[in-house]
Amino acid sequence: EPEVTQTPSHQVTQMGQEVILRCVPISNHLYFYWYRQILGQKVEFLVSFYNNEISEKSEIFDDQFSVERPDGSNFTLKIRSTKLEDSAMYFCASSEGGGETQYFGPGTRLLVL
Amino acid sequence: GENVEQHPSTLSVQEGDSAVIKCTYSDSASNYFPWYKQELGKRPQLIIDIRSNVGEKKDQRIAVTLNKTAKHFSLHITETQPEDSAVYFCAARGWGTASKLTFGTGTRLQVTL
Repeated sequence: EPEVTQTPSHQVTQMGQEVILRCVPISNHLYFYWYRQILGQKVEFLVSFYNNEISEKSEIFDDQFSVERPDGSNFTLKIRSTKLEDSAMYFCASSEGGGETQYFGPGTRLLVL
Repeated sequence: GENVEQHPSTLSVQEGDSAVIKCTYSDSASNYFPWYKQELGKRPQLIIDIRSNVGEKKDQRIAVTLNKTAKHFSLHITETQPEDSAVYFCAARGWGTASKLTFGTGTRLQVTL
């Protein structure tokens, strides 16, 4: 069964550094999402993406964040200047249609020191 | 925006007993309600979902009920097994394309022998 994949599984970075988290959505899916989960807390929406543009974003997704679909398979989340509070598990998800089931990747655990 | 409340935060049951987790939502326009199971350090995995045109859905030992008038939905697990031990998240999705999922705060279910 096709699955969403994410790399790296873990990322440690210094405060102020840029990080890029990578995702490969399920191949026939058209809608892509990023969520994050701070340790022990609930999953929070960051951004949704369709047809090469952002569909919706949360108040967490400020100017330090950006998303891109650089080619036909990858979907990336960039954090330009990381803060301590960006430490979290970041999940990518994809869905075939906008109203369809969202399937989650295994996550990237980001630790900002 | 949408707000999802989930109770209880922890639930301990004996193997073979039933478990019930309840969620309420605030946005009457929400029309899709998935339940995800998350094992420690793993991705959220969809276990069952329900759309607003249905009052109940069952899949083997798992069932979900929806009361649109009261804006609440519940997950029922019968004949619980140790492998059911995990954190369970409810979520709600509103109307529109690429709509985000708003998650509840999670319920840690422990099934004891």
